[in-house]
Amino acid sequence: NAGVTQTPKFQVLKTGQSMTLQCAQDMNHNSMYWYRQDPGMGLRLIYYSASEGTTDKGEVPNGYNVSRLNKREFSLRLESAAPSQTSVYFCASSSRLAGGGETQYFGPGTRLLVL
Amino acid sequence: GNSVTQMEGPVTLSEEAFLTINCTYTATGYPSLFWYVQYPGEGLQLLLKATKADDKGSNKGFEATYRKETTSFHLEKGSVQVSDSAVYFCAATGTASKLTFGTGTRLQVTL
Repeated sequence: NAGVTQTPKFQVLKTGQSMTLQCAQDMNHNSMYWYRQDPGMGLRLIYYSASEGTTDKGEVPNGYNVSRLNKREFSLRLESAAPSQTSVYFCASSSRLAGGGETQYFGPGTRLLVL
Repeated sequence: GNSVTQMEGPVTLSEEAFLTINCTYTATGYPSLFWYVQYPGEGLQLLLKATKADDKGSNKGFEATYRKETTSFHLEKGSVQVSDSAVYFCAATGTASKLTFGTGTRLQVTL
């Protein structure tokens, strides 16, 4: 199993450009997530999808949109990139623990620089 | 909502020293608790977890015990190695299985 994969690994954008970050998982997980990681702030949830066909906002959704294309894929779109969106973006998927709760598995991340 | 507070780093230790990274949480109900590790240039990897009070999670020599009375989940290792140098994140589940993360603690282990 490849686990959670993300493309691209690195991207440089100019302010106002758009792009889509791709994420796929091969673990048959129902839930998928997008986070951003900024220095000194840990990881913050942008959007999540509890199941195919559903998406919900997280802590910092402004400036982003998502699509749960199917059970495997969950993409994050920046319609008009801003320098404040310079960050490292992580995708994750989760499975339910035997004792309750869920464990999240993370992709390797996409480093985005917006000039 | 939930919140997770962990000690600020960086933490610098000599090889074979004892490690403690403190983590406390606030939550409604009884969340599952996690420690994730991030090596340079990589994504987060699950290090250990605990799903109920008094559970002890352990992996690769690291341990953490779910303490409901002190709302804590401190990470410990008896003898750190240079290869343990990384950023460690404490996390707690909330509604809809969403995770709340602490800000991370950077550990640097030197020879």
